[in-house]
Amino acid sequence: QSVLTQPPSVSAAPGQEVTISCSGNSSNIGNNYVSWYQQLPGTAPKLLIYDNNKRPSGIPDRFSGSKSGTSATLGITGLQTGDEADYYCGTWDSSLSTARVFGTGTKVTVL
Amino acid sequence: QVQLQESGPGLVKPSETLSLTCTVSGGSISSYYWSWIRQPPGKGLEWIGYIYYSGSTNYNPSLKSRVTISVDTSKNQFSLKLSSVTAADTAVYYCARGDLLYGVWGQGTTVTVSS
Repeated sequence: QSVLTQPPSVSAAPGQEVTISCSGNSSNIGNNYVSWYQQLPGTAPKLLIYDNNKRPSGIPDRFSGSKSGTSATLGITGLQTGDEADYYCGTWDSSLSTARVFGTGTKVTVL
Repeated sequence: QVQLQESGPGLVKPSETLSLTCTVSGGSISSYYWSWIRQPPGKGLEWIGYIYYSGSTNYNPSLKSRVTISVDTSKNQFSLKLSSVTAADTAVYYCARGDLLYGVWGQGTTVTVSS
């Protein structure tokens, strides 16, 4: 049972923009950095965003992250068919013995 | 370029112990945290726990009573043991580098719990 809630799915046409929300509380998102992962079908997850809004080397600037209060958001602009994947947020939770937690996951579909 | 590779049995009987090893190549296991994460079929990611190269660990509270993660720096490997498994432990098991940010992942290995 994840403590971070994401919408099950979002969709948009190629070239459009999507946003994915990740909702938590003051024990997790509210006081800790958030990271985001992309999981293409049949593959291991890949780090997209860390420390709320930083991109690792090689991640295009079409991907962006933000955080406000107890929620975080991943944005994808200029949507491409190759962006069709599952996306997960992650952080740690100080109320759960500093356990690391992931969001419920969001499936992005490119129409 | 650091690479991780999981290995271990793909089938484990109920009530037995699941044992997996992650081999680190292209870099040293020292000075990093190393984690295990799993994904049941059709479901999301679940953090299992991590170990620092020095041996300190932190486990998911929901699995803590059944999990042991260890490290062998001489072999550049770290391992997962999960005892008393049930069908609910059937999942793809990933090893990854990091304790909160997972920048390098193994390809994952499927473990099925069944008699």
